[in-house]
Amino acid sequence: AQSVTQLDSHVSVSEGTPVLLRCNYSSSYSPSLFWYVQHPNKGLQLLLKYTSAATLVKGINGFEAEFKKSETSFHLTKPSAHMSDAAEYFCVVSEPYSGAGSYQLTFGKGTKLSVIP
Amino acid sequence: DTGVSQDPRHKITKRGQNVTFRCDPISEHNRLYWYRQTLGQGPEFLTYFQNEAQLEKSRLLSDRFSAERPKGSFSTLEIQRTEQGDSAMYLCASSLGQIKETQYFGPGTRLLVL
Repeated sequence: AQSVTQLDSHVSVSEGTPVLLRCNYSSSYSPSLFWYVQHPNKGLQLLLKYTSAATLVKGINGFEAEFKKSETSFHLTKPSAHMSDAAEYFCVVSEPYSGAGSYQLTFGKGTKLSVIP
Repeated sequence: DTGVSQDPRHKITKRGQNVTFRCDPISEHNRLYWYRQTLGQGPEFLTYFQNEAQLEKSRLLSDRFSAERPKGSFSTLEIQRTEQGDSAMYLCASSLGQIKETQYFGPGTRLLVL
């Protein structure tokens, strides 16, 4: 069984300072890992994806994440926060599902990022 | 806009009424997923379709929930005899059905049961 733990429910940073959103996972397989972002009243937007290629993954809007198998972590970072980054961020693990080659997504509970001007 | 679309975006209903939500996936995507997201939680998987076949429905929350994808294109999610606990955001996602696929999400339908 797979699971995802987002270690902080709320992170607050000042504009222009670095962002770190922490995620740990457990998986029986070699998982795919994702970060999605959700702005208020909007759907989920894919930020970046890890699928067993390079362990440092670059995403949109300057975000990146590093897959560390030994630590079972997939933390999301950005060097300099912008006001528009304020949103909820979800770490997601994907594993093969029993039915017809599909993949099951398991979401963390989310981390709400606030950016202070 | 060629993304996943959902209709309606908001629905307010009275307890005991039936509601139906629609999802239109990205046109070339053959897999379609439904999720429910309650306040303060991440989305939880409900069911999915490969073309018109519903390949997993054991995660539907009760027998009041049902989903269809009759022609392998759009899908509907119906909740019968709604309860206040059904109030949530209902999200649809679609994918190409490839190894280590990415699911693309719609904007969701927010349901409020009074």
